[in-house]
Amino acid sequence: SQQGEEDPQALSIQEGENATMNCSYKTSINNLQWYRQNSGRGLVHLILIRSNEREKHSGRLRVTLDTSKKSSSLLITASRAADTASYFCATDAWQGNTPLVFGKGTRLSVIA
Amino acid sequence: SQTIHQWPATLVQPVGSPLSLECTVEGTSNPNLYWYRQAAGRGLQLLFYSVGIGQISSEVPQNLSASRPQDRQFILSSKKLLLSDSGFYLCAGQESYEQYFGPGTRLTVT
Repeated sequence: SQQGEEDPQALSIQEGENATMNCSYKTSINNLQWYRQNSGRGLVHLILIRSNEREKHSGRLRVTLDTSKKSSSLLITASRAADTASYFCATDAWQGNTPLVFGKGTRLSVIA
Repeated sequence: SQTIHQWPATLVQPVGSPLSLECTVEGTSNPNLYWYRQAAGRGLQLLFYSVGIGQISSEVPQNLSASRPQDRQFILSSKKLLLSDSGFYLCAGQESYEQYFGPGTRLTVT
Protein backbone atom coordinates (compact mmCIF):
# COMPACT_ATOMS: atom_id res chain seq x y z
CA SER A 1 0.00 0.00 0.00
CA GLN A 2 1.20 3.51 -0.67
CA GLN A 3 -0.90 5.06 2.07
CA GLY A 4 0.14 8.56 3.03
CA GLU A 5 0.69 9.10 6.71
CA GLU A 6 0.49 12.58 8.22
CA ASP A 7 2.54 13.79 11.10
CA PRO A 8 1.72 15.08 13.66
CA GLN A 9 -1.72 13.62 14.31
CA ALA A 10 -2.73 16.82 16.08
CA LEU A 11 -1.26 20.31 16.21
CA SER A 12 -2.30 23.30 18.30
CA ILE A 13 -0.87 26.77 17.61
CA GLN A 14 -1.61 30.41 18.29
CA GLU A 15 -3.13 32.65 15.65
CA GLY A 16 -0.41 34.27 13.55
CA GLU A 17 2.03 31.37 13.91
CA ASN A 18 2.99 29.06 11.07
CA ALA A 19 1.70 25.49 10.94
CA THR A 20 3.68 22.69 9.34
CA MET A 21 2.27 19.26 8.59
CA ASN A 22 4.15 16.37 7.06
CA CYS A 23 3.12 13.41 4.92
CA SER A 24 5.07 10.27 4.13
CA TYR A 25 4.18 7.63 1.55
CA LYS A 26 5.55 4.30 0.46
CA THR A 27 5.70 3.88 -3.32
CA SER A 28 6.26 5.95 -6.45
CA ILE A 29 3.60 8.52 -7.16
CA ASN A 30 2.30 10.58 -10.05
CA ASN A 31 1.26 13.48 -7.83
CA LEU A 32 0.43 14.34 -4.24
CA GLN A 33 -2.51 16.42 -3.10
CA TRP A 34 -3.53 18.13 0.11
CA TYR A 35 -7.14 18.40 1.24
CA ARG A 36 -8.83 20.20 4.11
CA GLN A 37 -11.88 19.04 6.07
CA ASN A 38 -13.85 21.22 8.43
CA SER A 39 -15.58 19.30 11.20
CA GLY A 40 -18.58 17.35 9.92
CA ARG A 41 -18.09 18.43 6.32
CA GLY A 42 -16.70 17.02 3.08
CA LEU A 43 -13.08 17.43 2.04
CA VAL A 44 -11.95 20.35 -0.08
CA HIS A 45 -8.99 20.22 -2.43
CA LEU A 46 -6.22 22.68 -1.53
CA ILE A 47 -3.25 22.06 -3.77
CA LEU A 48 -1.64 19.47 -6.04
CA ILE A 49 2.07 18.98 -6.56
CA ARG A 50 3.40 16.77 -9.35
CA SER A 51 6.21 14.29 -8.87
CA ASN A 52 8.59 16.45 -10.95
CA GLU A 53 7.93 19.55 -8.81
CA ARG A 54 9.71 20.35 -5.56
CA GLU A 55 7.73 23.29 -4.24
CA LYS A 56 4.43 24.98 -4.90
CA HIS A 57 2.66 28.00 -3.44
CA SER A 58 -0.97 29.02 -3.24
CA GLY A 59 -1.79 32.06 -1.12
CA ARG A 60 -0.67 31.27 2.45
CA LEU A 61 -0.01 27.62 1.55
CA ARG A 62 3.40 26.25 0.66
CA VAL A 63 3.84 22.61 -0.29
CA THR A 64 7.13 20.81 -0.75
CA LEU A 65 7.75 17.37 -2.17
CA ASP A 66 10.86 15.24 -1.73
CA THR A 67 10.45 12.11 -3.84
CA SER A 68 13.79 10.70 -2.67
CA LYS A 69 12.47 10.67 0.90
CA LYS A 70 8.88 9.95 -0.19
CA SER A 71 7.63 12.86 1.87
CA SER A 72 5.75 16.13 1.54
CA SER A 73 5.07 19.04 3.84
CA LEU A 74 2.27 21.58 3.98
CA LEU A 75 3.06 24.94 5.52
CA ILE A 76 0.30 27.39 6.41
CA THR A 77 1.75 30.80 7.15
CA ALA A 78 0.23 33.43 9.45
CA SER A 79 -2.47 31.03 10.60
CA ARG A 80 -5.98 32.18 11.42
CA ALA A 81 -8.67 30.68 13.64
CA ALA A 82 -10.56 29.82 10.43
CA ASP A 83 -7.70 27.48 9.44
CA THR A 84 -8.82 25.11 12.21
CA ALA A 85 -9.58 21.86 10.38
CA SER A 86 -8.17 18.44 9.55
CA TYR A 87 -5.67 18.25 6.73
CA PHE A 88 -5.12 15.15 4.61
CA CYS A 89 -2.55 14.23 2.01
CA ALA A 90 -3.54 11.97 -0.87
CA THR A 91 -1.29 10.17 -3.31
CA ASP A 92 -2.01 9.22 -6.90
CA ALA A 93 -0.24 6.19 -8.33
CA TRP A 94 1.16 5.95 -11.83
CA GLN A 95 -1.34 3.24 -12.77
CA GLY A 96 -4.43 4.57 -14.49
CA ASN A 97 -7.80 4.71 -12.73
CA THR A 98 -6.50 3.61 -9.36
CA PRO A 99 -8.09 5.52 -6.49
CA LEU A 100 -6.33 8.22 -4.51
CA VAL A 101 -4.97 6.96 -1.22
CA PHE A 102 -5.64 9.29 1.70
CA GLY A 103 -3.62 9.54 4.88
CA LYS A 104 -5.13 9.64 8.36
CA GLY A 105 -4.92 13.41 8.65
CA THR A 106 -3.55 16.08 10.95
CA ARG A 107 -6.02 17.92 13.18
CA LEU A 108 -4.98 21.57 13.34
CA SER A 109 -6.34 23.86 16.03
CA VAL A 110 -5.57 27.57 15.72
CA ILE A 111 -6.26 29.44 18.94
CA ALA A 112 -7.28 33.08 18.70
CA SER B 1 -15.43 21.65 -11.63
CA GLN B 2 -18.24 19.46 -10.39
CA THR B 3 -20.77 19.55 -7.57
CA ILE B 4 -21.58 16.47 -5.51
CA HIS B 5 -25.00 16.19 -3.92
CA GLN B 6 -25.64 13.79 -1.06
CA TRP B 7 -28.66 13.21 1.12
CA PRO B 8 -29.77 12.98 3.80
CA ALA B 9 -27.34 14.93 5.98
CA THR B 10 -28.10 12.78 9.04
CA LEU B 11 -29.80 9.44 9.42
CA VAL B 12 -30.67 7.29 12.42
CA GLN B 13 -31.58 3.73 11.59
CA PRO B 14 -32.23 0.63 13.75
CA VAL B 15 -30.07 -2.47 13.46
CA GLY B 16 -31.36 -4.79 10.77
CA SER B 17 -33.05 -2.07 8.72
CA PRO B 18 -32.12 -1.40 5.06
CA LEU B 19 -30.08 1.55 3.86
CA SER B 20 -29.98 3.57 0.67
CA LEU B 21 -27.76 6.62 0.34
CA GLU B 22 -27.82 8.49 -2.94
CA CYS B 23 -25.13 10.62 -4.50
CA THR B 24 -25.58 12.65 -7.67
CA VAL B 25 -23.04 14.60 -9.67
CA GLU B 26 -23.51 17.87 -11.47
CA GLY B 27 -21.19 19.60 -13.89
CA THR B 28 -19.32 16.77 -15.55
CA SER B 29 -19.83 13.57 -17.54
CA ASN B 30 -18.48 10.09 -16.89
CA PRO B 31 -16.67 10.94 -13.66
CA ASN B 32 -14.98 8.35 -11.48
CA LEU B 33 -17.14 8.12 -8.34
CA TYR B 34 -16.23 7.02 -4.82
CA TRP B 35 -17.88 6.12 -1.53
CA TYR B 36 -15.84 6.61 1.64
CA ARG B 37 -16.57 6.02 5.29
CA GLN B 38 -14.94 8.02 8.05
CA ALA B 39 -14.99 7.08 11.73
CA ALA B 40 -14.98 9.98 14.21
CA GLY B 41 -11.64 11.78 14.16
CA ARG B 42 -10.15 9.29 11.71
CA GLY B 43 -9.07 9.08 8.10
CA LEU B 44 -11.06 8.01 5.06
CA GLN B 45 -11.76 4.37 4.30
CA LEU B 46 -12.49 3.76 0.62
CA LEU B 47 -15.53 1.50 0.30
CA PHE B 48 -16.36 1.45 -3.42
CA TYR B 49 -15.38 3.19 -6.60
CA SER B 50 -16.83 3.25 -10.09
CA VAL B 51 -15.27 4.20 -13.42
CA GLY B 52 -18.54 3.95 -15.35
CA ILE B 53 -22.18 2.83 -15.39
CA GLY B 54 -22.54 -0.61 -13.86
CA GLN B 55 -18.81 -0.83 -13.03
CA ILE B 56 -18.21 -1.15 -9.30
CA SER B 57 -15.01 -2.04 -7.49
CA SER B 58 -15.17 -2.99 -3.83
CA GLU B 59 -12.22 -2.22 -1.62
CA VAL B 60 -13.30 -3.85 1.61
CA PRO B 61 -15.54 -6.88 2.17
CA GLN B 62 -18.48 -5.66 4.20
CA ASN B 63 -22.18 -5.44 4.76
CA LEU B 64 -22.61 -2.78 2.09
CA SER B 65 -23.05 -2.70 -1.67
CA ALA B 66 -22.95 0.00 -4.31
CA SER B 67 -24.58 0.56 -7.67
CA ARG B 68 -24.26 3.07 -10.48
CA PRO B 69 -27.47 2.93 -12.49
CA GLN B 70 -26.79 6.20 -14.31
CA ASP B 71 -23.64 8.11 -15.26
CA ARG B 72 -24.12 10.72 -12.53
CA GLN B 73 -25.77 8.61 -9.84
CA PHE B 74 -24.01 6.46 -7.26
CA ILE B 75 -25.96 4.58 -4.59
CA LEU B 76 -24.74 2.95 -1.39
CA SER B 77 -26.99 0.25 0.04
CA SER B 78 -27.36 -2.33 2.74
CA LYS B 79 -30.03 -4.97 3.21
CA LYS B 80 -29.54 -5.15 7.00
CA LEU B 81 -27.57 -2.55 8.91
CA LEU B 82 -25.13 -3.48 11.67
CA LEU B 83 -24.04 -1.29 14.59
CA SER B 84 -20.57 -1.20 13.00
CA ASP B 85 -22.00 0.52 9.92
CA SER B 86 -22.33 3.77 11.88
CA GLY B 87 -20.10 6.52 10.57
CA PHE B 88 -19.77 9.50 8.27
CA TYR B 89 -20.26 8.56 4.62
CA LEU B 90 -18.76 10.69 1.90
CA CYS B 91 -19.32 10.53 -1.84
CA ALA B 92 -16.69 11.98 -4.16
CA GLY B 93 -16.25 12.49 -7.87
CA GLN B 94 -12.96 12.80 -9.66
CA GLU B 95 -12.15 15.18 -12.48
CA SER B 96 -8.60 14.90 -13.79
CA TYR B 97 -6.57 14.35 -10.61
CA GLU B 98 -8.74 16.29 -8.14
CA GLN B 99 -11.58 14.82 -6.11
CA TYR B 100 -14.70 16.79 -5.25
CA PHE B 101 -16.60 15.74 -2.14
CA GLY B 102 -20.22 15.92 -1.14
CA PRO B 103 -21.30 17.25 2.27
CA GLY B 104 -21.55 13.76 3.76
CA THR B 105 -24.20 11.72 5.60
CA ARG B 106 -23.87 11.02 9.30
CA LEU B 107 -25.35 7.54 9.85
CA THR B 108 -26.10 6.30 13.35
CA VAL B 109 -27.24 2.71 13.69
CA THR B 110 -29.04 2.11 17.00
